[in-house]
Amino acid sequence: GEQVEQLPSSLIVQEGASVLINCSYTDSASVYFPWYKQEPGKRLQFIIDIRSNMERKQTQRLTLLFDKKTKHLSLHITATQPGDSAIYFCSASPMDSNYQLIWGSGTKLIIKP
Amino acid sequence: DTTVKQNPRYKLARVGKPVNLICSQTMNHDTMYWYQKKPNQAPKLLLFYYDKILNREADTFEKFQSSRPNNSFCSLYIGSAGLEYSAMYLCASSSIGSAETLYFGSGTRLTVL
Repeated sequence: GEQVEQLPSSLIVQEGASVLINCSYTDSASVYFPWYKQEPGKRLQFIIDIRSNMERKQTQRLTLLFDKKTKHLSLHITATQPGDSAIYFCSASPMDSNYQLIWGSGTKLIIKP
Repeated sequence: DTTVKQNPRYKLARVGKPVNLICSQTMNHDTMYWYQKKPNQAPKLLLFYYDKILNREADTFEKFQSSRPNNSFCSLYIGSAGLEYSAMYLCASSSIGSAETLYFGSGTRLTVL
């Protein structure tokens, strides 16, 4: 079945720096890729998603890149702020829905003020 | 109101005893999900209800039960808790359609002793 891997597992950067979180998946049938984050003590929340018919999606300081050929995604966060400190989860689904979502183990991002 | 509520926040259970966790949402979402999350691991989908139809994952089919007496409520039932059930249990809801966002509750941390 589908497997989703995230790298790195943890990351510490200085406030203002940019970060890159990588995600790879194994099932070429996957078509929907939502990302969620969980700030300390808070619930998981949706941040951005992309579908397999797109290569790039941007919202505010987040840019999500998708490479169907290599089965790879990259989440780029610019001008990081302490509030960006969180665990970021990549996920993949073979359906254009939240059914059958397979999740990565997460990337813990710490922003140093 | 985009709130998913879970009760209790913490639950202590004895090995071999039953456990019942509760989730509610007021967004009239047609689908409700239960995930299991262990430290440093990916969230694992246990089951979900689309309307009144229960879908359970194959590898957790016999371990977890659920009921959805109405659109707003969904429970997760463990008939006989084992030590391996100690985890965070996350409830989420969404509306069917083109991959609508998952809204998560704060979770119930279950400790089995």
